[in-house]
Amino acid sequence: DVKVTQSSRYLVKRTGEKVFLECVQDMDHENMFWYRQDPGLGLRLIYFSYDVKMKEKGDIPEGYSVSREKKERFSLILESASTNQTSMYLCASSLLGGIDNEQFFGPGTRLTVL
Amino acid sequence: GIQVEQSPPDLILQEGANSTLRCNFSDSVNNLQWFHQNPWGQLINLFYIPSGTKQNGRLSATTVATERYSLLYISSSQTTDSGGYFCAGGSQGNLIFGKGTKLSVKP
Repeated sequence: DVKVTQSSRYLVKRTGEKVFLECVQDMDHENMFWYRQDPGLGLRLIYFSYDVKMKEKGDIPEGYSVSREKKERFSLILESASTNQTSMYLCASSLLGGIDNEQFFGPGTRLTVL
Repeated sequence: GIQVEQSPPDLILQEGANSTLRCNFSDSVNNLQWFHQNPWGQLINLFYIPSGTKQNGRLSATTVATERYSLLYISSSQTTDSGGYFCAGGSQGNLIFGKGTKLSVKP
C-alpha cells in the first residue's frame, strides 16, 4: 500500500514564525504535491515537484516555498506565518507520466496561526 | 484552466437510500479521481477513473470522457458514508478539485 505521512496532525504557531511542514512517501513516486483546503474554497494546489530539487508553482504559491532534497521527502515552508495561512494542509504523491497518475494523500496537517 | 463543478453541494439521506453524485469538467481530462474525506480530514481514494465504469462494493463510478462528466453512485447508504466527497481531474498529472458534496446519512 502507498503510504504518505505528514509530520504533524495539528500545529499551532504564532504570526511571523517560520513553519516547516514535512511530507514523506514510501512508494518511490516522482511527483509530490502540497495543497491547502479551506471551507468554501476546496483544495487548491500550492506547489508541486516532479523530481528531486525541482519545483513548480501551483495556483496559490504566494507566502510559501518548498524543498525537495530527497525523492521521498517534500517540505512546505511558511517563511513568515500569517493568520490567513491558517488552514488544512494536505500532501500527495503520484507516479510521473504513464497511464496511471493516481494521487495518494497523507492525513493532513491542521495549522493554526495565532 | 479546467473548471470542476460538483453537484449537489449538500445531500441528506436516510440510511439505506441510494444516491448519485455528479462531477462536470469544463475541458477534457486524462486523470480523474473520486475521494471520500473522513472526519479527521484525510482524503481516501475511492476511484481512479478517467473513463469507463468501476465498482467497489456499494460504490461505483462512471466517467463519460467524451461528455466531460463523471458520476459516483452510493447504494444502500450507511452512516459511515457521511462526509465530504470530492472529484478531481487534470491533464498533466495535476488535479483540479471540485468543491465537494457534503453527505449526511441519518440512521
